[in-house]
Amino acid sequence: DGGITQSPKYLFRKEGQNVTLSCEQNLNHDAMYWYRQDPGQGLRLIYYSQIVNDFQKGDIAEGYSVSREKKESFPLTVTSAQKNPTAFYLCASSIDLRGLYGYTFGSGTRLTVV
Amino acid sequence: AQKITQTQPGMFVQEKEAVTLDCTYDTSDPSYGLFWYKQPSSGEMIFLIYQGSYDQQNATEGRYSLNFQKARKSANLVISASQLGDSAMYFCAMREEYGGYQKVTFGTGTKLQVIP
Repeated sequence: DGGITQSPKYLFRKEGQNVTLSCEQNLNHDAMYWYRQDPGQGLRLIYYSQIVNDFQKGDIAEGYSVSREKKESFPLTVTSAQKNPTAFYLCASSIDLRGLYGYTFGSGTRLTVV
Repeated sequence: AQKITQTQPGMFVQEKEAVTLDCTYDTSDPSYGLFWYKQPSSGEMIFLIYQGSYDQQNATEGRYSLNFQKARKSANLVISASQLGDSAMYFCAMREEYGGYQKVTFGTGTKLQVIP
């Protein structure tokens, strides 16, 4: 079945460490996105990519980095510069640039700083 | 200013009744899209329904319908015949053109609880 796979489901990070969240899709979608969700809040856009080797900062990109070397993969690195990284992270993709059919989301990664 | 406003943090509805979840939006983009997503406690986001700004008719998908009032900039979700499985967070979202790219902004969500 086609879909988006995020791994790991739970991730614990020590202060000062960089961690990378994986996002892989087999839907042949061009556009991919990373969102952050804090408890009781909506989703905020971190980064998005509409084609391979191109990506744009979203509303809260500071302390995060991404790469898009393959169409299927859009990993997110949470760097030590992100002061409050504990949150739920969702990866999404869309079939076309207008997102007319909505986004397909992964099941998320819950990141906790310990 | 908030792009997407959902003023109801929580709602209760009796099973088999209809419920309306409110959403207002703000944009100067003449071509935009509006979405509703459902997020169960498991965390995944499920796409429910889409309305384009130029669509003449309100969108419907099964028990979901979108009450689109363009002049009032509102895009309320109506769920008919509520079921226990409808208990979840519901997010309204808007797609806009932004610097040549498409960008989607989400509201803060409404928690719906269906009562047996």
